[in-house]
Amino acid sequence: GAGVSQTPSNKVTEKGKYVELRCDPISGHTALYWYRQSLGQGPEFLIYFQGTGAADDSGLPNDRFFAVRPEGSVSTLKIQRTERGDSAVYLCASTLGGNADTQYFGPGTRLTVL
Amino acid sequence: RKEVEQDPGPFNVPEGATVAFNCTYSNSASQSFFWYRQDCRKEPKLLMSVYSSGNEDGRFTAQLNRASQYISLLIRDSKLSDSATYLCVVTYQKVTFGTGTKLQVIP
Repeated sequence: GAGVSQTPSNKVTEKGKYVELRCDPISGHTALYWYRQSLGQGPEFLIYFQGTGAADDSGLPNDRFFAVRPEGSVSTLKIQRTERGDSAVYLCASTLGGNADTQYFGPGTRLTVL
Repeated sequence: RKEVEQDPGPFNVPEGATVAFNCTYSNSASQSFFWYRQDCRKEPKLLMSVYSSGNEDGRFTAQLNRASQYISLLIRDSKLSDSATYLCVVTYQKVTFGTGTKLQVIP
């Protein structure tokens, strides 16, 4: 079956602009995660959805970052007033149930803020 | 102390060698443990879960030591295709990844 998909695969934007990154999880997976990964680092947790609600958003670095999952499937990560330090690969993962389950990752969106 | 710590490497080993990685974690209440593999510019993929009793999958063996709060991954008879970054994952109330250990298997 289809895996996790993310769009766009690459996004180049200018400092101060607004961006939206989309994640389409595996059908039937109730949990969805967003991570940010910089070169040479492991994925850094941002936010976790269980269904439509954010079960844990403690990883969002500041209020410029926001994510939604209105129908419990597709999720959008929104970044306002982008900064150069936001440049990274943004990874989305889904699991069947929750934290104890296997994470299936999408290919990521590479964000570059000029 | 970081929640999850790994030696970043790189570990450069010849084909056929045995190599082991450790990963330490700080929260004694941690519940689930995993090893993921990440190839260059690709997404992480599950290699294996780590159970209290230890588990083996072919050339790969994973163990958990709760008393000392670490998990380990042993790779026997290394292949060139094993070259990748190995990420340790620990979950309690959230999922935490280590920084990864880079393995390079040399012909």
